[in-house]
Amino acid sequence: QVQLQESGPGLVKPSQTLSLTCTVSGDSISSVIYYWSWIRQPAGKGLEWIGRIYTTGNTIYHPSLKSRVTISLDTSKNQFSLKVNSVTAADTAVYYCARGESSASGGAFDYWGQGILVTVSS
Amino acid sequence: DIVMTQTPLSSPVTLGQPASISCRSSQSLEHSDGNVYLSWLQQRPGQPPRLLIYKISKRFSGVPDRFSGSGAGTDFTLEISRVEAEDVGVYYCMQGTQFPRTFGQGTKVEIK
Repeated sequence: QVQLQESGPGLVKPSQTLSLTCTVSGDSISSVIYYWSWIRQPAGKGLEWIGRIYTTGNTIYHPSLKSRVTISLDTSKNQFSLKVNSVTAADTAVYYCARGESSASGGAFDYWGQGILVTVSS
Repeated sequence: DIVMTQTPLSSPVTLGQPASISCRSSQSLEHSDGNVYLSWLQQRPGQPPRLLIYKISKRFSGVPDRFSGSGAGTDFTLEISRVEAEDVGVYYCMQGTQFPRTFGQGTKVEIK
């Protein structure tokens, strides 16, 4: 069974870098079938797609976040990571990692992590 | 960006009765490969989103058959034939046709 688990600091100071890791089990991030994505959700609000990465390392980011976001892979640990630079209170949200966006999953996110709350505050 | 607009934003439903949620996209969701990448997600309170429907009408593994999706072009619908207590939560439509991927604002389904 595919499982994803986010990890990282729950509190980040303004202007610093938010760093999260998603550990995948039950599938390989080296798979040529799926993409691996980050999505966030501010408290009480809707979902915002941040970006995705493929096994080749190819990435696509949301234009509004592109200048501050980096998604990377660590195939040796079967993990992928998110970095968001120069954070502000507006980056406070639950961050989810997800698998999907392939023809196999019909362009949808089929497995999600439980989510991790990241608060930006001094 | 493609804007996804859901109606209603709140849907009080009696147990055992049907529920319907509409989702309209600001542009056609037909991809150049001929597919329409419209999916529906359920988010129960305190839980991550869960995939229900992909490519308009295909139920994901393990999803009860009381959930169905339909639509074409820019107008899509999620229907629950008989609402059960475990269906309480927020439902989102999502388009996977263009970047950036975008979601509807969510429809809260609650029991009357």
